[in-house]
Amino acid sequence: GQQVMQIPQYQHVQEGEDFTTYCNSSTTLSNIQWYKQRPGGHPVFLIQLVKSGEVKKQKRLTFQFGEAKKNSSLHITATQTTDVGTYFCAEDSSNTGKLIFGQGTTLQVKP
Amino acid sequence: KAGVTQTPRYLIKTRGQQVTLSCSPISGHRSVSWYQQTPGQGLQFLFEYFSETQRNKGNFPGRFSGRQFSNSRSEMNVSTLELGDSALYLCASSLVGDTGETQYFGPGTRLLVL
Repeated sequence: GQQVMQIPQYQHVQEGEDFTTYCNSSTTLSNIQWYKQRPGGHPVFLIQLVKSGEVKKQKRLTFQFGEAKKNSSLHITATQTTDVGTYFCAEDSSNTGKLIFGQGTTLQVKP
Repeated sequence: KAGVTQTPRYLIKTRGQQVTLSCSPISGHRSVSWYQQTPGQGLQFLFEYFSETQRNKGNFPGRFSGRQFSNSRSEMNVSTLELGDSALYLCASSLVGDTGETQYFGPGTRLLVL
């Protein structure tokens, strides 16, 4: 079945360092969504990528969609303690409200 | 607009019991999806409802069921609870559940089965 692999599972960084999480699929993705879940919270939508090679930025966050639409990445520049949480990528291709989530990358930021 | 609400927020049950969780979507949203989140399995899709019909179902046993009412509110039921059903149950709503629509998650119901 559909699978979206996400690495790394955990990342500890010093505040101010950069952070990247990667999402990979063996099949072509119609689109990829990114969510952030704070500790004790629920997933919150960050962004959606649809086009091959698409790059979108939100302040210190940069999202990329691979040329072959089989991988995606989220890069955070100069992390802050407010970036702590788990970042999920998710594929949405069923047209019936079904998201296939990656395993998530949990980011810890040391002040 | 009010966000997605879920009740109850916390629940403790014992093995063999059954439980019903409720989700009220954002006003105007007609698609409601349910997910189970556990440390081991991550976020897994349970099922999706639109206009009172189940349109999509994940790989969960028949003990997991749901329904949607005419006002788009949804409930999910788990019968004969097992220890492994302990999890955070999240519902998410979107306008019609089309590909590419943003899904808005509720705060979840944290279920502990003893």
